[in-house]
Amino acid sequence: KAGVTQTPRYLIKTRGQQVTLSCSPISGHRSVSWYQQTPGQGLQFLFEYFSETQRNKGNFPGRFSGRQFSNSRSEMNVSTLELGDSALYLCASSSLNLNTEAFFGQGTRLTVV
Amino acid sequence: AQSVAQPEDQVNVAEGNPLTVKCTYSVSGNPYLFWYVQYPNRGLQFLLKYITGDNLVKGSYGFEAEFNKSQTSFHLKKPSALVSDSALYFCAVRDILTGANNLFFGTGTRLTVIP
Repeated sequence: KAGVTQTPRYLIKTRGQQVTLSCSPISGHRSVSWYQQTPGQGLQFLFEYFSETQRNKGNFPGRFSGRQFSNSRSEMNVSTLELGDSALYLCASSSLNLNTEAFFGQGTRLTVV
Repeated sequence: AQSVAQPEDQVNVAEGNPLTVKCTYSVSGNPYLFWYVQYPNRGLQFLLKYITGDNLVKGSYGFEAEFNKSQTSFHLKKPSALVSDSALYFCAVRDILTGANNLFFGTGTRLTVIP
């Protein structure tokens, strides 16, 4: 069974640009969550998608957005990049059963210069 | 509001000695608790979880954790540490009262096992 796949693994962008990250969940999982990991803030929840709808959202500015496709693949977009957006972005795939653990991808390391 | 505290940024332990990584939590309802481990440049790997039942849960790689409701704690333990256990460990909680799937994480504890 394939795991959670995130692409690309590494990205370098310039301030003011925008970026799109992709996540393919485990087959059969319809819930996809995104997290930002930074040394100073730890792991912060961005948003969760289920059945192409955003179900839950963390405390991030509107520059951070996402979407989910009918095959459960998800993308997140960050517009007008800032230096502080440099982070490891992790995607987690879950079933709807709250008893079950989330499975994480290896992450996308975004560096904004 | 939900929160998780990992009071130690760094834990050092000698190989072969028992290890403990501490975690306390705060949720409005019953907690679902998880431990994850992260190796350099990798995502998070699931170790174990507490949902209900026996307060002592066993997980991967010989790790176990004890749920203590009165102390709102969920400490991670291992009887005999290995050098390969050196990594970053995260405690997380899911608040089932909200029905939301997302996890709230602690700030992480870096475990170093000294040969």
